Amino acid sequence: DARVTQTPRHKVTEMGQEVTMRCQPILGHNTVFWYRQTMMQGLELLAYFRNRAPLDDSGMPKDRFSAEMPDATLATLKIQPSEPRDSAVYFCASGLVSGQGAGEQYFGPGTRLTVT
Amino acid sequence: GIQVEQSPPDLILQEGANSTLRCNFSDSVNNLQWFHQNPWGQLINLFYIPSGTKQNGRLSATTVATERYSLLYISSSQTTDSGVYFCAGGKNFGNEKLTFGTGTRLTIIP
Repeated sequence: DARVTQTPRHKVTEMGQEVTMRCQPILGHNTVFWYRQTMMQGLELLAYFRNRAPLDDSGMPKDRFSAEMPDATLATLKIQPSEPRDSAVYFCASGLVSGQGAGEQYFGPGTRLTVT
Repeated sequence: GIQVEQSPPDLILQEGANSTLRCNFSDSVNNLQWFHQNPWGQLINLFYIPSGTKQNGRLSATTVATERYSLLYISSSQTTDSGVYFCAGGKNFGNEKLTFGTGTRLTIIP
């Protein structure tokens, strides 16, 4: 049963601390997306990768957020330093882009981040 | 960017009732998905439906791409259908990101 996995599932940290969230996309998928969900903003895209290359990170505050794909099986989203306004659920999704187009995205269970 | 509008924002129904959820797009999309976010927060894929009609059990969806809208039908509602339903759309070929609507919160009362 192929699925996207994310760790940790929950994270509580103090303002100013570094937070790293990890995602393992579905094997064989070549696109990875990071979304953030808050009550105020809903679901919004932060960044996405195709074949491990960053294609769009316009939704991400670049002064404190960074996203990488060290290899095809791992994507990371890092916040340094964290702030209370970063409290949200962070979702990773993966999909397969082929000659027929983008196809379906599949979401992981999310990381619920609370910054105090 | 694309704007996605969902209606109604909230819907409360008795178990067994039918419902229709709507999603309008400000621009043409050729990647369209419906999701159900359950009470535990998990986003569950319902349909990938850039055009046409699909059915899966009590759920079906129709997308009229030329008129930039999609409909999700839920028949014979069950309490487990409660949650938030999102539609999301995007362009294709080089810009695969999805723009989400604000969701329809569905509550099914026993």
